[in-house]
Formats: sequence, C-alpha cells, structure tokens
Amino acid sequence: SQQGEEDPQALSIQEGENATMNCSYKTSINNLQWYRQNSGRGLVHLILIRSNEREKHSGRLRVTLDTSKKSSSLLITASRAADTASYFCATDADYGQNFVFGPGTRLSVLP
Amino acid sequence: SQTIHQWPATLVQPVGSPLSLECTVEGTSNPNLYWYRQAAGRGLQLLFYSVGIGQISSEVPQNLSASRPQDRQFILSSKKLLLSDSGFYLCASRSTGNQPQHFGDGTRLSIL
Repeated sequence: SQQGEEDPQALSIQEGENATMNCSYKTSINNLQWYRQNSGRGLVHLILIRSNEREKHSGRLRVTLDTSKKSSSLLITASRAADTASYFCATDADYGQNFVFGPGTRLSVLP
Repeated sequence: SQTIHQWPATLVQPVGSPLSLECTVEGTSNPNLYWYRQAAGRGLQLLFYSVGIGQISSEVPQNLSASRPQDRQFILSSKKLLLSDSGFYLCASRSTGNQPQHFGDGTRLSIL
C-alpha cells in the first residue's frame, strides 16, 4: 500500500536557517498534504499540492512534488523558534477514503 | 472553516473498563470522518473512517469500534479496554474532493 516516509526523522537548526524535509511514497496519488503538530496537540494543515502541480508556496513555506520520483519536499525559510514541531506528509490516493501519514520529522529550531 | 471538537482532553481508565470518546464537527455537512491513534513520537494509524451516517470502515482489527449516529458526530468505543489501547486519539474531518483534513485537539488515553 502507499506510504509516506519523511526524511530526516529529526532535524535541529538555528533560528534564521532554512529547514528542508522530504517525503517519499510508493503509489499514484491525487494529492499530497503537509501537516504540523505541536507537542500534545492535533495536526494543523499547512499545504495541499495536487498531483498535476509541481510547486506551491504559502508564506515561508514552499512545497515541491515530483510524481516521477514519488517524492515531495517541504522547505521552511528563515525558521523561527515557533516552527519547532513535528511535520507529517500525507498521501491521498482516493479522495480521502484512505489517507496515509508518514512517521514525521521532528524539527527543533534553536534560538 | 471546519472546527472539530473532541473530549475529554485526557482520560485515565483501568484495564477492562468501557470507553466512549466523542467527536463533533462544525462548519461543514456530510464530511468524511476519521479516527486515528498516535503512539508517542510516531505517525498516525488510521482506525476507522466514515463517509456517512451509519457507514463505518475499519482499517485494522482491534478492540475498538466506531459509530456515526448523526452527520457530524463520530464516536469511538470499547467494551473492555486493554493496556495496548493507550495512546493519543485524534478525530479528523474532511470535505469531499481535493481537500485537507481538519483535526481536533485529541484525547490522551492512559490505561492502568
């Protein structure tokens, strides 16, 4: 079955640096989504990118999608301490009946 | 936008006791609804999803069950809790099409 796998599992950077997280999956998808989770809270949706799109931006976030390589990346520019969280990618192959989340990347932004 | 209400936020239950977690949704009609469980430091495991009232699909065999008695109400239940049922339970809602999921704040369940 399809599965999102984030890489790296953990990332520690200094405030102001850029953070890049990658996601790989196995089967065809309709869209791929990135979420953020602060410790002990629910997930917050960041960006949805459709299978026919290659790049999307939202503020300091940039997501790319390469369907030929079955991979996506999330770039956070000019990181802040408040960006410290776990980040998950989720793949959607059949419009919501079977979302698959990866294990996540734990990002620590040091002040 | 959608708002997902989950309660309680934390719950401590003895082994063998029953469970009922409730999730209600505001801001949308006829959503797809989901229950996930998350182990500490791990990703989300899909437990149940529902595309409509009374329609429940289970992803993994387990000690839990789900029901959807109303369009925007999703309930997770167990008759007898096991130690392995401990975890962080998340409810999510999604409208149809290329749409993201919206999550509640979760319930942290500890089984003693």
